[in-house]
Amino acid sequence: GAGVSQSPSNKVTEKGKDVELRCDPISGHTALYWYRQSLGQGLEFLIYFQGNSAPDKSGLPSDRFSAERTGGSVSTLTIQRTQQEDSAVYLCASSFGQGTYNEQFFGPGTRLTVL
Amino acid sequence: KQEVTQIPAALSVPEGENLVLNCSFTDSAIYNLQWFRQDPGKGLTSLLLIQSSQREQTSGRLNASLDKSSGRSTLYIAASQPGDSATYLCAVVDTGRRALTFGSGTRLQVQP
Repeated sequence: GAGVSQSPSNKVTEKGKDVELRCDPISGHTALYWYRQSLGQGLEFLIYFQGNSAPDKSGLPSDRFSAERTGGSVSTLTIQRTQQEDSAVYLCASSFGQGTYNEQFFGPGTRLTVL
Repeated sequence: KQEVTQIPAALSVPEGENLVLNCSFTDSAIYNLQWFRQDPGKGLTSLLLIQSSQREQTSGRLNASLDKSSGRSTLYIAASQPGDSATYLCAVVDTGRRALTFGSGTRLQVQP
């Protein structure tokens, strides 16, 4: 079966513009995660969705970042008024959901460059 | 706050050697620990997941152990090959959370 897919694979934008990053999780996975990987910070958690529950937004770095998940499947991460420090690889992961056996599977990432 | 440390940061070995990568975490209240592999410019590939009640997991030439009480895990790679060259990341899921907390990785190079 298909793995986690993300689009676009690369995005170059100008400072101040808004960007949308998309994630398609593995079919049947109820949990979806967004992470960010940057040179200075390593891999850090951004936001987590589980079914119809309220998302865990505790990792979002500022109110310029938001995410939604429609129909319990596809998710979009939106960054408003992008800044140069937002440049990073944004990774999406999915898992079967709650419980101790929640192995996370990652997509290939979206490389965001803010000029 | 959970902190995950990986030692060494980089490792270069000749082909055929057995090697051990180390991971430590500060809070032992975890659900599970996952080892990943990341190739340059790529996403993460899950290698092994160890649940908190388990001591080890094996997949092919890979064996991961977990000592939750001491906050340590090791990834053992047998008979290393040049294709094993990549960055290896360790990550834990804390009790009460679902997100992974990652170490900074070990960059492995296996020389042919």
